[in-house]
Amino acid sequence: QKEVEQDPGPLSVPEGAIVSLNCTYSNSAFQYFMWYRQYSRKGPELLMYTYSSGNKEDGRFTAQVDKSSKYISLFIRDSQPSDSATYLCAMSRANAGKSTFGDGTTLTVKP
Amino acid sequence: GAVVSQHPSRVICKSGTSVKIECRSLDFQATTMFWYRQFPKQSLMLMATSNEGSKATYEQGVEKDKFLINHASLTLSTLTVTSAHPEDSSFYICSASFGTKWSGEQFFGPGTRLTVL
Repeated sequence: QKEVEQDPGPLSVPEGAIVSLNCTYSNSAFQYFMWYRQYSRKGPELLMYTYSSGNKEDGRFTAQVDKSSKYISLFIRDSQPSDSATYLCAMSRANAGKSTFGDGTTLTVKP
Repeated sequence: GAVVSQHPSRVICKSGTSVKIECRSLDFQATTMFWYRQFPKQSLMLMATSNEGSKATYEQGVEKDKFLINHASLTLSTLTVTSAHPEDSSFYICSASFGTKWSGEQFFGPGTRLTVL
């Protein structure tokens, strides 16, 4: 079983929809939680960073971490065609020196 | 801020040749650099982690003699694919982190697409 599980999708939504992307994990020692966006044939871009539990909001994006359930989410409000990309969750233990990535969810937002 | 560049963005070479890929942190000092490999529609596969001035730490199953990593300065790391073969064709991505304490944040380069004929 993988340490981080992420539904690969693909996920297709109409423009303006609210998108929910999720990851579950098994290692309770994870403390840092990240979401990356990767456009086709490009490197991943750090989108959201959260330390420990709680919510973080940045514009149309909201990241949620529920450590008790070992579950993290990324919400995208008012989704746009430019949000079409692969979204990777990542998480890490303190002092780990590296992160564990999910397999990525491919999202398509249709105009 | 936190910009990482890679060069070249694309390279095509003949089987048996060696290819060097450069990764630079442009506006920060990278205490740690990472090299990943990504196959089409697949996730990132960590190949190795390197700290400036130290030998790289390779992930299990990655051939050290095949993929040579040099982290010569706080802004530059290189990956050399030695005696490349068609099965080495892939998308190679570097990333970098800064600070003395690991925080989980990494900043990725744009990637290098390697095609070995």
